[in-house]
Amino acid sequence: RKEVEQDPGPFNVPEGATVAFNCTYSNSASQSFFWYRQDCRKEPKLLMSVYSSGNEDGRFTAQLNRASQYISLLIRDSKLSDSATYLCAVNRGDDMRFGAGTRLTVKP
Amino acid sequence: DAGVIQSPRHEVTEMGQEVTLRCKPISGHNSLFWYRQTMMRGLELLIYFNNNVPIDDSGMPEDRFSAKMPNASFSTLKIQPSEPRDSAVYFCASSFGGRAADTQYFGPGTRLTVL
Repeated sequence: RKEVEQDPGPFNVPEGATVAFNCTYSNSASQSFFWYRQDCRKEPKLLMSVYSSGNEDGRFTAQLNRASQYISLLIRDSKLSDSATYLCAVNRGDDMRFGAGTRLTVKP
Repeated sequence: DAGVIQSPRHEVTEMGQEVTLRCKPISGHNSLFWYRQTMMRGLELLIYFNNNVPIDDSGMPEDRFSAKMPNASFSTLKIQPSEPRDSAVYFCASSFGGRAADTQYFGPGTRLTVL
């Protein structure tokens, strides 16, 4: 079993839709959590950190559930430009592990 | 500010040839990471340097792979001899604060194709 797992998708949604991704992690000692965005043929870039209390950045909301060991990313009012692969990352304090990514396509 | 710089951006080579990938981390960062990304396996950490010293190379697939960091501003990843299964995108990333650092900044990657 991989240490960080994501549904690979693809998620195909219409513009304006709300879409949510989950990411589960197996190491309960994990300390910090992130979502990265990766556009086609580009490098991953940090989208947002995930805080225990949950956090929001515009249309993006990230949440952490330590008891169930998962993090989530919610995108509201999705735009065509949101089409990308979203990777979760989990930092155990001595190592950062990435999920394989969830591909999102937003269609007109 | 310049981000992480990698070269070459694309490399096509034949099986058995030596391949050298290069990385210049962000100035001031003390940690450097080499990753490999494929559709099948996702993003895999190959090796991690802290203050130019290799700390963890457990992700290096086999002896054909080697990495060096002779100074704080330059690192290489070498594959010798290369095989078709090495075809992937190789990313270099840097951060300040070690492996536990919150944010890693990725370079644009080197797309390697081994024929």
